[in-house]
Amino acid sequence: NAGVMQNPRHLVRRRGQEARLRCSPMKGHSHVYWYRQLPEEGLKFMVYLQKENIIDESGMPKERFSAEFPKEGPSILRIQQVVRGDSAAYFCASSPGQSDQPQHFGDGTRLSIL
Amino acid sequence: GESVGLHLPTLSVQEGDNSIINCAYSNSASDYFIWYKQESGKGPQFIIDIRSNMDKRQGQRVTVLLNKTVKHLSLQIAATQPGDSAVYFCAENQGAQKLVFGQGTRLTINP
Repeated sequence: NAGVMQNPRHLVRRRGQEARLRCSPMKGHSHVYWYRQLPEEGLKFMVYLQKENIIDESGMPKERFSAEFPKEGPSILRIQQVVRGDSAAYFCASSPGQSDQPQHFGDGTRLSIL
Repeated sequence: GESVGLHLPTLSVQEGDNSIINCAYSNSASDYFIWYKQESGKGPQFIIDIRSNMDKRQGQRVTVLLNKTVKHLSLQIAATQPGDSAVYFCAENQGAQKLVFGQGTRLTINP
């Protein structure tokens, strides 16, 4: 049952380091979404990508954060020069792309900044 | 800005009873709504969805009701089981595939 796969499940970084989070969508899905969740809160949209294209990055901070979904390989969410406030769970979802099709989520990456 | 919110942050029910989880949304242009279940340490799991041209949709033990007049969404879970304990989120598609999530309701099942 190849659902959305995220790795690593847990990532610890020191302030100033880089964090790379990976996401492989469900088979047959070409649309990927990244969300961020703080404890006891709902998920907040960050970015929406299709293969080789960023469709909507309105929820992503302008600095230090970037995302890509290359033609081959997983989608990557990259956070440069991490700060304590970046500690959160980051979830990836995928869908076939139609607006009335649900997004299916992975189990997330828990990022902790020391 | 527009947001999706929930009326109650926590809900406790007896095993075997029915549960109703409510959600208010404010974007009248949203045309697609989804309920997710999130267990501790896991990602949101799709439960059921509904389009804005419907007012009710049923699944296995779950029913979603949509009242566009008052912008209200509810999730009904019949005969709740211990495995239903989780946080439940409603989410609305505000267009261009961007989901807006509510804060969530924690459902606890008492034996």
